[in-house]
Amino acid sequence: QVQLKESGPGLVQPSRTLSLTCTVSGFSLTSYGVSWVRQPPGKGLEWIAAIWSGGSTDYNSALKSRLSISRDTSKSQVLLKMNSLQTEDTAMYFCARFSSPYYFDYWGQGVMVTVSS
Amino acid sequence: DIQMTQSPASLSASLGETVTIECRASEDIYNGLAWYQQKPGKSPQLLIYNANSLHTGVPSRFSGSGSGTQYSLKINSLQSEDVASYFCQQYYNYPLTFGSGTKLEIK
Repeated sequence: QVQLKESGPGLVQPSRTLSLTCTVSGFSLTSYGVSWVRQPPGKGLEWIAAIWSGGSTDYNSALKSRLSISRDTSKSQVLLKMNSLQTEDTAMYFCARFSSPYYFDYWGQGVMVTVSS
Repeated sequence: DIQMTQSPASLSASLGETVTIECRASEDIYNGLAWYQQKPGKSPQLLIYNANSLHTGVPSRFSGSGSGTQYSLKINSLQSEDVASYFCQQYYNYPLTFGSGTKLEIK
């Protein structure tokens, strides 16, 4: 069955770089895209970045200068890096599968990231 | 960016009732709209895509409608397991954007 699982550090210091990994199973990264979406505590959802099945990437323009998304198809992993972290980046980070059209049909359980010194 | 205005922010209804949640886009999104359900402490789950298509395995008491800038999610015969937050998402244009959510409770 389709599964996505996020992993990463729970706590990051301000100004440091966050690295998150989404490990997928039950589908191929060359057939489906994977996106990252975050949700600050008690708040709504914000789309961050995506990598398509063909390897092209899209970024939220509000965050683009701080982001990098990549993948390792041999490991079925999608990697997200976000630099210059601030307290407002504290959120639950989800990865989710998509194809075309661009909606998310499967989501991971999420990983909580807290930015604090 | 396309702004998605969702209403109401919270909703309380009785079991068996029908409820409707609205989402208004700041411009025409040509049915590029999805609805998600998020139960407390869980990840969002897809309910509806392309404004009115039911995702696999979703109960038929959920339905979506609308066009242009106005869309709605209807839940018939409200069940206790429908307690959750509901979000709309447009995927007509970048950046993908979500509504602010509707928290549904049982009276």
